[in-house]
Amino acid sequence: ETGVTQSPTHLIKTRGQQVTLRCSSQSGHNTVSWYQQALGQGPQFIFQYYREEENGRGNFPPRFSGLQFPNYSSELNVNALELDDSALYLCASSSGLAVGTQYFGPGTRLLVL
Amino acid sequence: ELKVEQNPLFLSMQEGKNYTIYCNYSTTSDRLYWYRQDPGKSLESLFVLLSNGAVKQEGRLMASLDTKARLSTLHITAAVHDLSATYFCAAELNAGNMLTFGGGTRLMVKP
Repeated sequence: ETGVTQSPTHLIKTRGQQVTLRCSSQSGHNTVSWYQQALGQGPQFIFQYYREEENGRGNFPPRFSGLQFPNYSSELNVNALELDDSALYLCASSSGLAVGTQYFGPGTRLLVL
Repeated sequence: ELKVEQNPLFLSMQEGKNYTIYCNYSTTSDRLYWYRQDPGKSLESLFVLLSNGAVKQEGRLMASLDTKARLSTLHITAAVHDLSATYFCAAELNAGNMLTFGGGTRLMVKP
């Protein structure tokens, strides 16, 4: 059984560019949540996908968007990058909406210059 | 809006000592989680607390939940250097795995 994986591990972009981050959920998990963790802070919930539909969204602007695919892997897209988007982006998967523990991937560290 | 606050933000302690990290949350929450994060790494799940009075223990760490006080604690017994990390609590509003995290407690255990 493989855990949650994310790609790429590191990324450098410039302001105004667009970025796509990818997440493969743990085997058997149909729910993926994305979080943004700025340096020295706790993670903040961006949005969640359950069975390919967006199930909830945190306080992030529409330029943060996502997808979930039939195999339950997921993408996070960020348009018009801003300096404050520099952070560690974590995805977490679980086997449903009310099952307790989420398992986090290693994260993608994004630097916007 | 659910808010989660931890204290202290930073904790330096000697090996062998005991200490408690506190986690307060602002509204009724379905579940309370504790995670550990090592520098530059992802989050490792420690405990999930599901009901009032829940207590869970793993090694030198023990977590408890008081839903009436909206308070969870993470107690460290006889700390060792390997426990040095940042600890986060997170509350869940409406069962659905959408977590609100506290700001974290950075724990440093000195030999």
